[in-house]
Amino acid sequence: QVQLVQSGGGVVQPGRSLRLSCLASGFNFGSKGMHWVRQAPGKGLEWVAVIWYEGINIDYADSVKGRFTVSRDNSKNTLYLHMNSLRVEDSAMYFCARDKGDQVLDYWGQGTLVTVSS
Amino acid sequence: QSVLTQPPSVSGAPGQRVTISCTGSGSNIGAGYEVNWYQQLPGTAPKLLIYGNTNRPSGVPDRFSGSKSGTSASLAITGLQAEDEAEYHCQSYDSTMSGSYVFGTGTTVTVL
Repeated sequence: QVQLVQSGGGVVQPGRSLRLSCLASGFNFGSKGMHWVRQAPGKGLEWVAVIWYEGINIDYADSVKGRFTVSRDNSKNTLYLHMNSLRVEDSAMYFCARDKGDQVLDYWGQGTLVTVSS
Repeated sequence: QSVLTQPPSVSGAPGQRVTISCTGSGSNIGAGYEVNWYQQLPGTAPKLLIYGNTNRPSGVPDRFSGSKSGTSASLAITGLQAEDEAEYHCQSYDSTMSGSYVFGTGTTVTVL
C-alpha cells in the first residue's frame, strides 16, 4: 500500500534552516509528481511546492520562492524540502503528498511540525 | 490569501444533509479546472474525498457527493454522521497563480 512517512521538523530560530524528508513506499516513486503543502495553526491548507518525476520541473508558491528548495532522490524514494531564511510565518504543519495526475493529491504524509521562534 | 472561498463552518444534526460551497473565479473553477475535496479529521492529515468534481475514491461512502457549476463547486454530505465531524478543503488549479495549485479557506463541519 502507498505510504508517505515524514521526518525532520522541529523548533528553529528565525533566519535559520531546516530540512524535511518524506520517504515513499508502495508505488513507483519516480513516476509521480510530489508536493509539499502546509497548514498554519488554525488555518487552511497552503500549497508550497511541487517537483515532477526526475526533478527537472519544479514550482513554488510566491511565499517561499527563493528561500525553499524542493528536491527528490528517486534512488532512495525520498522527497525533501530544504527551508532557508525561515520566518515566524513559516511556522506550520508541513505535509508531503503524491500527485495522482489531473491535479489530484491522493496520498498524504502524516505531517511534521515546524515552529520558527526566537 | 486563498483564492477559493468556503464558509468557515456548517453544522447539522445526525441524519441531516449539509452542503459546503467553494467559490472561485474565472481563472480557476470558472476556467474549467476540476475541483477536488479533502476531509481532515482532527489531528490527522487530509484525505482525498472527491476528485474531478464528482468522483469518489474507493472506500469513500456515497453519502459524500460533489458538484460544480460556473465559478463554484459544492460538497454535499447526506445522512450526516458523528464521524463526519472534520474540516473540509476544496482544491483546484489556477492559471494565474505561481505553481497553480490552490486550496479553499476550509470549512469545519460540526455534528450537533
